[in-house]
Amino acid sequence: QVELQQSGPGLVEPSQTLSLTCDISGDSVSSNSAAWSWIRQSPSRGLEWLGRTYFYQSKWNYEYAVSVKSRIIINPDTSRNHFSLQLSSVTPEDTAIYYCARDRTYDLDSWGQGTLVTVSS
Amino acid sequence: DVVMTQSPLSLSVTLGQPASISCRSSQSPLYRDGSTFLNWFQQRPGQSPRRLIYNVSNRGSGVPDRFSGSGSGTDFTLKISRVEAEDVGVYYCMQGTPWPPYVFGQGTKLEIK
Repeated sequence: QVELQQSGPGLVEPSQTLSLTCDISGDSVSSNSAAWSWIRQSPSRGLEWLGRTYFYQSKWNYEYAVSVKSRIIINPDTSRNHFSLQLSSVTPEDTAIYYCARDRTYDLDSWGQGTLVTVSS
Repeated sequence: DVVMTQSPLSLSVTLGQPASISCRSSQSPLYRDGSTFLNWFQQRPGQSPRRLIYNVSNRGSGVPDRFSGSGSGTDFTLKISRVEAEDVGVYYCMQGTPWPPYVFGQGTKLEIK
């Protein structure tokens, strides 16, 4: 059974970069049957998918939502079996609960515990 | 972009009674291989979303059989045959395709009457 454990700061200053990590147990970040996503939730936007990474045809692939495409990086780390989220140039509108999740063919079947990130000075 | 519309937005149900939530998509989640990527999630207060149903009607591991999903085309339904106290929370539908993936409905809040 897969478990996803998130870590990272809960407070980020405006214009800085939000960074979170999702540790995976019970599966592999380089699995050929899973992708790894980040999703956020806020009262104003609801649940919003941000992006994902997956290993396919011997290379890493990345897909990002249009709304954050210019500011987001999702990085897999095979040595630590985790993946990370970096969101740059944050504003108070990026305040949200951030979740990592496993994706089994358009099915977000397992989620991390969530991290509330507040953007404020 | 795809828009997912749920109804009702809130639901008050007596314990032991059935509940039904509707989800309508602006574009069909039917994939070229014949799969329909429409999922349902439950989010209990203070918890992460939990996937209940995948591909319209398949229950996830450990999901009680009182939960069922149905539908086709652009109209889908989540039913709870007999509501229990632990079912309190917000329910979301989510479409996996077409691009962009993972568009969620606005959520339906279930409470006990």
